[in-house]
Amino acid sequence: QKEVEQDPGPLSVPEGAIVSLNCTYSNSAFQYFMWYRQYSRKGPELLMYTYSSGNKEDGRFTAQVDKSSKYISLFIRDSQPSDSATYLCAMRKRGSTLGRLYFGRGTQLTVWP
Amino acid sequence: ETGVTQTPRHLVMGMTNKKSLKCEQHLGHNAMYWYKQSAKKPLELMFVYNFKEQTENNSVPSRFSPECPNSSHLFLHLHTLQPEDSALYLCASSQGQGNSPLHFGNGTRLTVT
Repeated sequence: QKEVEQDPGPLSVPEGAIVSLNCTYSNSAFQYFMWYRQYSRKGPELLMYTYSSGNKEDGRFTAQVDKSSKYISLFIRDSQPSDSATYLCAMRKRGSTLGRLYFGRGTQLTVWP
Repeated sequence: ETGVTQTPRHLVMGMTNKKSLKCEQHLGHNAMYWYKQSAKKPLELMFVYNFKEQTENNSVPSRFSPECPNSSHLFLHLHTLQPEDSALYLCASSQGQGNSPLHFGNGTRLTVT
């Protein structure tokens, strides 16, 4: 079983839709959770970072963590064509070494006008 | 322009060639990383350097040889690669503390023929 599971999609939605992206994990040692966005032919860029259960909001983006269910989500409100990208969830274990992030496979999102 | 610059952007090499990938970070970070991104697979951590010292080698074959002359530069020397080594190779940097986010470059797209 992979440590981090993420549905690769692809996911295609109309402009203005609410998008829900999800990851599950199996190891309760994961304590820090991130979402990266990767545009085509670019490197991943950090979108959201959280370490506690609950919601964290940043503009149209909301990151949600449920440690009891080992489940994290990223919600995008009022989605725009510019949100079309691959979204990667990533996690770090408590006390882990530098850079030891565990990534999901990424979900490819297309928002059409 | 990203704070982490990778060259070349694209590289095609034969299995008997020797080539090098270069990474430079302009963010004042002290930790640098090589990640491999293959289609449909999660990002794989290859090497970690902290203050020029290698702190992690994630069971990477010896045909990949990293070099970190200082905290701003990182190289990945390649020799006698296999076609399955074709992938996007991403360099990243971070401030060094365990919870600091990673900043990625745009990668080198490597094709081994």
